[in-house]
Amino acid sequence: AQRVTQPEKLLSVFKGAPVELKCNYSYSGSPELFWYVQYSRQRLQLLLRHISRESIKGFTADLNKGETSFHLKKPFAQEEDSAMYYCALGGTGGSQGNLIFGKGTKLSVKP
Amino acid sequence: NAGVTQTPKFQVLKTGQSMTLQCAQDMNHNSMYWYRQDPGMGLRLIYYSASEGTTDKGEVPNGYNVSRLNKREFSLRLESAAPSQTSVYFCASSGDRRNIQYFGAGTRLSVL
Repeated sequence: AQRVTQPEKLLSVFKGAPVELKCNYSYSGSPELFWYVQYSRQRLQLLLRHISRESIKGFTADLNKGETSFHLKKPFAQEEDSAMYYCALGGTGGSQGNLIFGKGTKLSVKP
Repeated sequence: NAGVTQTPKFQVLKTGQSMTLQCAQDMNHNSMYWYRQDPGMGLRLIYYSASEGTTDKGEVPNGYNVSRLNKREFSLRLESAAPSQTSVYFCASSGDRRNIQYFGAGTRLSVL
């Protein structure tokens, strides 16, 4: 079964520290992975996707098919990065285009 | 730039009452979705509509019905609300890139 696992419910770091939000997935085909973010009092929005291999707001994520992981990383966390982060697996099975979300990781960046 | 608009923002219901959550998008998207967000559970898909005139069940459809009224609007109905349906409900839409979804601001529903 397709599944997305985010092992950490809460991740707390100090400003300027590196941050890594973990995401592992279960999927037998060729996955499409995403990170969505929800800042306080804002809508859930796409942060980045593995296909584009881009850096958004200093965040990067590399798809590791061998480890079935798509961890989100940032070398120097900022207070404005505090938010809820969801890893999502897309384009699976018969429901093409339906995203399967992980349970989310709340990132708290302390001053 | 309205994007995806949900109404109402907040609602309190008594067990057994019914209500409809409204969602409209102005991006000419074909696909629309309803999710619920519960603490520790992430977002779970209730129903989706891949195109106007079609609807399909998601992961947690029990207790809900949907209507794709036209291309813009996708409503979610609770016929007989239960406390287990207390949640935050999100509507989303997507265009050709179906995995890139645009979300509404959410409806916070409490069922007493």
